[in-house]
Amino acid sequence: DTAVSQTPKYLVTQMGNDKSIKCEQNLGHDTMYWYKQDSKKFLKIMFSYNNKELIINETVPNRFSPKSPDKAHLNLHINSLELGDSAVYFCASSQPTGMVQFFGPGTRLTVL
Amino acid sequence: DAKTTQPTSMDCAEGRAANLPCNHSTISGNEYVYWYRQIHSQGPQYIIHGLKNNETNEMASLIITEDRKSSTLILPHATLRDTAVYYCIVRGTTNSGYALNFGKGTSLLVTP
Repeated sequence: DTAVSQTPKYLVTQMGNDKSIKCEQNLGHDTMYWYKQDSKKFLKIMFSYNNKELIINETVPNRFSPKSPDKAHLNLHINSLELGDSAVYFCASSQPTGMVQFFGPGTRLTVL
Repeated sequence: DAKTTQPTSMDCAEGRAANLPCNHSTISGNEYVYWYRQIHSQGPQYIIHGLKNNETNEMASLIITEDRKSSTLILPHATLRDTAVYYCIVRGTTNSGYALNFGKGTSLLVTP
C-alpha cells in the first residue's frame, strides 16, 4: 500500500540513450512533481503538474519530457541522456496547495 | 518565498531532545514554516508545519517565535533513526506551482 511509488529504483545507461522513469500515487492527490537531487545533495524542483496540466517547468532542458496520463501517474522521459543527468530523481504528490508533499523512494540514474 | 538559514550540522545524544533552529527573518504574514527530513537514500519526509502558533504532532514539536523570524524543531527523544538532513522551508499557500524550495538543511547525527 505504498503511497508514492517509482520504478525503477536504479537505472544505469549509456550516454545518448532514451529512458523513462514511472511514478504512481494512490493518495488521490491532484498535484504531482518531479525533483532532482544532484551529487551535491541539492534537491531542486523540475516539474509540477496539477490535474494533468503542467504548472512548473524549471529551466529543465527539453530533453526531459514529463507525461501525465492520468492524475495518479506522472512519468518522466529523458532523451539523449548526458553524463550530467546522473542524479537521484524523486517523484512527489500533494493536494493542490502543495503544503504537505509525499515523496517516492527515488530513482538513482547513472549515465556512463 | 522567504530565505531560511540553518546550521550545517548538529549532534545529539540518543534519548536527548534535538533542537534544530531555523532563521527566517524575511518571512511574510501569509507564509508557513515547514519542516521535512531526508534519511539517507530515502525520499524527503514531511514532519510538521505552522503559521504562528506552536505545533506538536507524533513526530516533533515546532516552536515559532512571536515575531515569526525564527523557529525551532524539537525531536523530544532522539533515536538513531532520526539521523537525517532536516530542511526548514518557508512558503505561502499561494505559491505558484506549489513547489518546495529545499535549501542545504541541517545534517543531524544522533549518537549512541
